[in-house]
Amino acid sequence: GDSVTQMEGPVTLSEEAFLTINCTYTATGYPSLFWYVQYPGEGLQLLLKATKADDKGSNKGFEATYRKETTSFHLEKGSVQVSDSAVYFCALSSSYSSASKIIFGSGTRLSIRP
Amino acid sequence: SQTIHQWPATLVQPVGSPLSLECTVEGTSNPNLYWYRQAAGRGLQLLFYSVGIGQISSEVPQNLSASRPQDRQFILSSKKLLLSDSGFYLCAWSRLAGLANTGELFFGEGSRLTVL
Repeated sequence: GDSVTQMEGPVTLSEEAFLTINCTYTATGYPSLFWYVQYPGEGLQLLLKATKADDKGSNKGFEATYRKETTSFHLEKGSVQVSDSAVYFCALSSSYSSASKIIFGSGTRLSIRP
Repeated sequence: SQTIHQWPATLVQPVGSPLSLECTVEGTSNPNLYWYRQAAGRGLQLLFYSVGIGQISSEVPQNLSASRPQDRQFILSSKKLLLSDSGFYLCAWSRLAGLANTGELFFGEGSRLTVL
């Protein structure tokens, strides 16, 4: 079945460091890909998405490119801030039909040191 | 605007007792609805999803069941709880663009269940 694998955490970085959180997927067909973020004490919210190969999703300085050849959707940010500390989830929607299910990875906890 | 509410927020139940968690969505029609369980270190596990009234897809065979008696109501149930049912349960709805699922989920506040 469809699945999402993301790098284990926790990840700890200093402020202004470069961030990469790896995400790979297994799916039949052409899934849509997402990154969700859960800030401390808050619910999950959509960070960015890409719906087809080579699309780049971006938001709040974060970017991820849908790579069909490597089945990957790695999350990157050039200079992280303390406020980026959160848990990040990679997810896929099994198809673009109305009946699609949405599957999440295990989450990666990110901590940024001042 | 659309809102989603789930209750109760916290529940402590003995092993073998029944369970009913409710979720209601307002401000949208015919949404896709989902139940997830979030366990520490294990991410979000999809339990059930529904594309319409009475239509339930189960992802994980287990002690739980789901029902959708109304378009905007989604209920998670169990007849007899197990210790392993403890966890944080999240209800969510997804926005449709015509017949397509955008995949953007909006989550409820969550229900923390402790089975003793």
